[in-house]
Amino acid sequence: AQSVAQPEDQVNVAEGNPLTVKCTYSVSGNPYLFWYVQYPNRGLQFLLKYITGDNLVKGSYGFEAEFNKSQTSFHLKKPSALVSDSALYFCAVRDIVGNSGNTPLVFGKGTRLSVIA
Amino acid sequence: NAGVTQTPKFQVLKTGQSMTLQCAQDMNHEYMSWYRQDPGMGLRLIHYSVGAGITDQGEVPNGYNVSRSTTEDFPLRLLSAAPSQTSVYFCASSRTPRQGSTDTQYFGPGTRLTVL
Repeated sequence: AQSVAQPEDQVNVAEGNPLTVKCTYSVSGNPYLFWYVQYPNRGLQFLLKYITGDNLVKGSYGFEAEFNKSQTSFHLKKPSALVSDSALYFCAVRDIVGNSGNTPLVFGKGTRLSVIA
Repeated sequence: NAGVTQTPKFQVLKTGQSMTLQCAQDMNHEYMSWYRQDPGMGLRLIHYSVGAGITDQGEVPNGYNVSRSTTEDFPLRLLSAAPSQTSVYFCASSRTPRQGSTDTQYFGPGTRLTVL
């Protein structure tokens, strides 16, 4: 079964500094990888995804993520953090085995990002 | 397009009561799912469905039932509520490969459930 690990419960970064939120995954087939963000008392919003193609994926609000197959990682990055980026970030994976895309999306436990002015 | 809607937004139950959390989407998505979110646990999948008449269990299905009679609706039933089911519940939907999937899941605003 697929799984996702987010090794950091909390990441603190100063405004203007680069940020990284880590994610590693485990699948038996090929991974579809996603990042979602959750602001307080809100649902989850899609940030970006990797399906195939370029390993560097660009998403909303200046975020990007790099797919690394050898390290089974999909770390979220942003060159310059904003206070408004403070939120809960979730990495998720769908295990694509054969041609079936009907496998569920599995989430990590989330990483709370705090950007300090 | 309303997207994914959930009702109610808040609910308080007593132990042993039953209730149904409603979820609807107007995007003609075949794939729908229910998650619960608990502090430090992330989002855990309860049940999911890949189309009308088809449902399957996720990671934490015990105590919950689902059915999918239409493409639009995917209700979650708590048969006999327990304090351990106190959580925030999210419904999500997406297209499937048969629909030319982009795999992006769209989430509802959530239902905050407290069981006393």
